[in-house]
Amino acid sequence: QKEVEQNSGPLSVPEGAIASLNCTYSDRGSQSFFWYRQYSGKSPELIMFIYSNGDKEDGRFTAQLNKASQYVSLLIRDSQPSDSATYLCAVNTGRRALTFGSGTRLQVQP
Amino acid sequence: NAGVMQNPRHLVRRRGQEARLRCSPMKGHSHVYWYRQLPEEGLKFMVYLQKENIIDESGMPKERFSAEFPKEGPSILRIQQVVRGDSAAYFCASSSGTPDSTDTQYFGPGTRLTVL
Repeated sequence: QKEVEQNSGPLSVPEGAIASLNCTYSDRGSQSFFWYRQYSGKSPELIMFIYSNGDKEDGRFTAQLNKASQYVSLLIRDSQPSDSATYLCAVNTGRRALTFGSGTRLQVQP
Repeated sequence: NAGVMQNPRHLVRRRGQEARLRCSPMKGHSHVYWYRQLPEEGLKFMVYLQKENIIDESGMPKERFSAEFPKEGPSILRIQQVVRGDSAAYFCASSSGTPDSTDTQYFGPGTRLTVL
């Protein structure tokens, strides 16, 4: 079992819809969770981080964390074509190095 | 530009040559991380350094790879006797080193290494 799992996609949504990206992790001791966006050929860009169970909202983005289910998700409201990218889930298990999932490719159709 | 800086952005080497990748952390950051992204794969942690210290090198290949973060100057990832399988994007990230799990890493633009 991979330490951090994501559906590779592509996840295709129409412009203006809500995109839901999911991530599961195996280490119950994981402490903090990060979502990065990576455009093709570019470096990862931090979108959000979450440490506590529940929801955290920032503009069009909402991160959700459920430690009991070992599940973290990212919702993107009012999706735009510019949101088309690969979204990387990263987990800090307590030793500072981040463990990344393989990413979910999101396509927003105009 | 106060962001993480990496150079060169692109590096071409022939098999057997050495590759040196440099990373200057974001202003105010003292913790540096190196990650490798092979084509069509996810990011894999390689090494975590603070000034003059390697803190965690559990992701570094045992041979040919080394890293340093001297008291003065950038962090350097060194790959000796490169092979075609070393072709990848190498990303550096930095953080301020807050003492708990809230520490957040910011990535540089990466160095794309191509081994011929």
